[in-house]
Amino acid sequence: GAVVSQHPSRVICKSGTSVKIECRSLDFQATTMFWYRQFPKQSLMLMATSNEGSKATYEQGVEKDKFLINHASLTLSTLTVTSAHPEDSSFYICSAAPPTGDTEAFFGQGTRLTVV
Amino acid sequence: QQQVKQSPQSLIVQKGGISIINCAYENTAFDYFPWYQQFPGKGPALLIAIRPDVSEKKEGRFTISFNKSAKQFSLHIMDSQPGDSATYFCAARPRGSQGNLIFGKGTKLSVKP
Repeated sequence: GAVVSQHPSRVICKSGTSVKIECRSLDFQATTMFWYRQFPKQSLMLMATSNEGSKATYEQGVEKDKFLINHASLTLSTLTVTSAHPEDSSFYICSAAPPTGDTEAFFGQGTRLTVV
Repeated sequence: QQQVKQSPQSLIVQKGGISIINCAYENTAFDYFPWYQQFPGKGPALLIAIRPDVSEKKEGRFTISFNKSAKQFSLHIMDSQPGDSATYFCAARPRGSQGNLIFGKGTKLSVKP
């Protein structure tokens, strides 16, 4: 089946630094990818929709200047957490769905971000 | 406002028993209802999904029952095994969307040997 790969799986960074997370669709072209955030023992909350070649669409309450999304190719979207703070520590997950037909969304394996 | 409500929050089942997780939605403009299984530290993986024109779908030990008039759908895990212990999320996809999902809050299932 289709695979979405996310990297890194874990990252620890210092407060004030920026961290980039990559999400790749390995065997299909994804014009749209989605970024979710998951706090411990909670559900996935959609942060933004990443659109290839155009600006991302952010959900209400998500700071676009803190969470920079770039979708420069049909197989890669990146999420950059800028000027990270401890409260940004979370599990970030991307997903993508093949553009053809009515198919499921595939999720990456997630990135555990810890800001110290 | 959460559009997909999931219950129970946690569930303990004996090995061999039936695990039942329920979800209800508030918006009729959904066209796809998947269930995801998530293990700690991993991304969610699709378990089984159903469309609103079908009342039941079975895949192995997993069955989705869908009640369109009641706006409810449930996951049944037959012959539950310790390896099924995970967090389960129901979700709904808005009609016309490109794949984004609205998730329930999740159910932590523990299957005791």
